[in-house]
Amino acid sequence: EAGVTQFPSHSVIEKGQTVTLRCDPISGHDNLYWYRRVMGKEIKFLLHFVKESKQDESGMPNNRFLAERTGGTYSTLKVQPAELEDSGVYFCASSQVLGIVTEQFFGPGTRLTVL
Amino acid sequence: AQTVTQSQPEMSVQEAETVTLSCTYDTSESDYYLFWYKQPPSRQMILVIRQEAYKQQNATENRFSVNFQKAAKSFSLKISDSQLGDAAMYFCAYNFKAAGNKLTFGGGTRVLVKP
Repeated sequence: EAGVTQFPSHSVIEKGQTVTLRCDPISGHDNLYWYRRVMGKEIKFLLHFVKESKQDESGMPNNRFLAERTGGTYSTLKVQPAELEDSGVYFCASSQVLGIVTEQFFGPGTRLTVL
Repeated sequence: AQTVTQSQPEMSVQEAETVTLSCTYDTSESDYYLFWYKQPPSRQMILVIRQEAYKQQNATENRFSVNFQKAAKSFSLKISDSQLGDAAMYFCAYNFKAAGNKLTFGGGTRVLVKP
């Protein structure tokens, strides 16, 4: 069974440009989470989807970030326009059932560098 | 707000010896879960061990065990008989059901294993 995949693995962009990150969760996992780790700090929660609905987006830093999960399968996270402080590693995770605590399976992350 | 603190940025251990990683957390919740995740270099983060707060017995997974002190809000990880493959970043994390199972992470501890 394929694990959580993320694309691209690395992205280097100029300040002001747009970048879209993609996450494919494990098939059948309704829960999808985005996290990010900036410059050696803690990994921080960004948002949580249950199927195609945003369950919790309390961690989204500002309105330059837009996450979607059309059809409840893969998810995209768009940063527009990117700023220097957006540099970091963006992780996606998925899990099965909400309501009981289950393991979150993580993707390898996308390393974003904004110059 | 819930916080997780890992006070050791880096730990070094000789192969076959034991190392203990510390983690403290702060929460007002009574029903929560604690996790240790491992991220090897350039690889995905994987779950090492989990502990339900309502369980008094410390969780054990092969060479990995925890010392869960609920009153002290401490959750340390012991790696016994360290192997070269144990070299990785280790993250302590916490969640609770009412928060949709989103994880709150500590800053991580890098474990180096010397042959």
